[in-house]
Amino acid sequence: GQNIDQPTEMTATEGAIVQINCTYQTSGFNGLFWYQQHAGEAPTFLSYNVLDGLEEKGRFSSFLSRSKGYSYLLLKELQMKDSASYLCAVQDSNYQLIWGAGTKLIIKP
Amino acid sequence: DVKVTQSSRYLVKRTGEKVFLECVQDMDHENMFWYRQDPGLGLRLIYFSYDVKMKEKGDIPEGYSVSREKKERFSLILESASTNQTSMYLCASRRGESYNEQFFGPGTRLTVL
Repeated sequence: GQNIDQPTEMTATEGAIVQINCTYQTSGFNGLFWYQQHAGEAPTFLSYNVLDGLEEKGRFSSFLSRSKGYSYLLLKELQMKDSASYLCAVQDSNYQLIWGAGTKLIIKP
Repeated sequence: DVKVTQSSRYLVKRTGEKVFLECVQDMDHENMFWYRQDPGLGLRLIYFSYDVKMKEKGDIPEGYSVSREKKERFSLILESASTNQTSMYLCASRRGESYNEQFFGPGTRLTVL
């Protein structure tokens, strides 16, 4: 079956660094997306990885290892506004997104 | 900026009613999607459309139908609403190529009593 696993909830301190992991087992692989979703709002796109390695975009970075079925989202210099859910989604062989349940990130002052 | 709008933010309906959820995007995107989002579960795909007049079933199409008569509009229809269809419904659109991200509307929180 197809499965995306990510932690349900994480807590971090303002100004610190946090890494949110995502492991996947899917029928085929055509890229991995990370989205951010604030409570009561729509998901918004953060990153897309299709090749192994690290993609950096400002305070956010995303890493992919296709051989391990593993990705992480790294958030640096955490700000209170980063409190949100982070959704991992894998595009399968049919180019459809399979979504994880999301990781709720709580930032404390 | 891409804008995806949905007809209602909150909707309350009774069991057995026919429910229409409308989604409109303003960036000429070919692909459009309907998802539902429930606590503890990932987004689940109900239906999608690659272009006008086209529709494909997603993972959980039972109890739903869709319509795409115009490129910018994708409607989700609950033929006879049931309590287990109480959920957050999210519409998304995407430019045709698969590596492009999906843009989401604000969602409709539907409660079926």
